Amino acid sequence: AQSVAQPEDQVNVAEGNPLTVKCTYSVSGNPYLFWYVQYPNRGLQFLLKYITGDNLVKGSYGFEAEFNKSQTSFHLKKPSALVSDSALYFCAVRDGEAGANNLFFGTGTRLTVIP
Amino acid sequence: EAQVTQNPRYLITVTGKKLTVTCSQNMNHEYMSWYRQDPGLGLRQIYYSMNVEVTDKGDVPEGYKVSRKEKRNFPLILESPSPNQTSLYFCASSFRGQGARNSPLHFGNGTRLTVT
Repeated sequence: AQSVAQPEDQVNVAEGNPLTVKCTYSVSGNPYLFWYVQYPNRGLQFLLKYITGDNLVKGSYGFEAEFNKSQTSFHLKKPSALVSDSALYFCAVRDGEAGANNLFFGTGTRLTVIP
Repeated sequence: EAQVTQNPRYLITVTGKKLTVTCSQNMNHEYMSWYRQDPGLGLRQIYYSMNVEVTDKGDVPEGYKVSRKEKRNFPLILESPSPNQTSLYFCASSFRGQGARNSPLHFGNGTRLTVT
């Protein structure tokens, strides 16, 4: 069965420190992996994706994520957090070999960057 | 500007009073979908549409209807709303299905619905 887990509901980090938001997944085929960010009173915005190729994916706003096949993880990272990064982050996974409507979202991780 | 537009942003209604939440996209996307977002549950898909006149149920379709008469519009209809449908609703679209290789989902800004 296909699933995605974000083990932390809340992550707090000091401004300027590196941040990590964790995501693990389970699919039977090749995974397509995504990160979305939701700012207050807004819809989700696409940050980055992994489809194939280099395991380190770079996205918007200085974020990056590392695909780790052996650990079935796709953690979101940023070297130096900004207060403006405070938001709700969603990981999503799709089985690349299944039909077109099978994207599964995690339950979200709220990131708070403390000034 | 490329966007997905939902209306209204906020809606308070009473049990049983039919309502429609509109969704329109200007990107010529084939795929559109409705989600509800509830605390601790993340996003759950209600209905989706692969193209005009092609719709199908998502994970939580009970109590909802949709239609896709035009490519750009995908309204969500609650024929008889109940308090358990109080939620934050999002419409999304993409060129080809959810999370296609070069086609991430584009989301509207959401509709916060309260049913009393």
